[in-house]
Amino acid sequence: DGGITQSPKYLFRKEGQNVTLSCEQNLNHDAMYWYRQDPGQGLRLIYYSQIVNDFQKGDIAEGYSVSREKKESFPLTVTSAQKNPTAFYLCATKKTTLMNTEAFFGQGTRLTVV
Amino acid sequence: AQKVTQAQTEISVVEKEDVTLDCVYETRDTTYYLFWYKQPPSGELVFLIRRNSFDEQNEISGRYSWNFQKSTSSFNFTITASQVVDSAVYFCALSESGGSTLGRLYFGRGTQLTVWP
Repeated sequence: DGGITQSPKYLFRKEGQNVTLSCEQNLNHDAMYWYRQDPGQGLRLIYYSQIVNDFQKGDIAEGYSVSREKKESFPLTVTSAQKNPTAFYLCATKKTTLMNTEAFFGQGTRLTVV
Repeated sequence: AQKVTQAQTEISVVEKEDVTLDCVYETRDTTYYLFWYKQPPSGELVFLIRRNSFDEQNEISGRYSWNFQKSTSSFNFTITASQVVDSAVYFCALSESGGSTLGRLYFGRGTQLTVWP
């Protein structure tokens, strides 16, 4: 079945460690996005990529890094520079960047710093 | 600046009641798109509806209906005869037609709807 797979579902990290969240899609969508969700907050954009080997910072990119070496994959690394990384992270894809398409979301990764 | 406001943080209703979730937006674009997503406890966002700025027709889909009014910059969502399975967080979102962040969504903070049996 076509879809977006985020792994792992739950992730625990010690302070000072980098950690990478996986996002894989087989929808053949060009655009991919990473959003962060905090309790009582809407989703905020971290990074997005419209094509392979290209990506752009969103509103809260500090402390995060991404890569887009393949169309299917858009991993997000949470670095030790991210001051408050505990949150729910959602990966999304869109068929194109045209406005008249909706975004599809993965099931999310819940990251907790211990 | 783009902004989406969902003033209702939490709403509780009893099954079979009708409920309306409010959404107010701000944008300078004349062409834009509005969305509603549902987030069940499992966490993933489920797409419900998309509406473009040139189409102010209200829409009904089963128990769901949407009221888009450009004059008040609102895009409200009504669930008729609510059911326990409707319990979720609902997000309103805005997407614009141009700019360097083409395709991104601006989200409201969400409304937690709880439907009691």
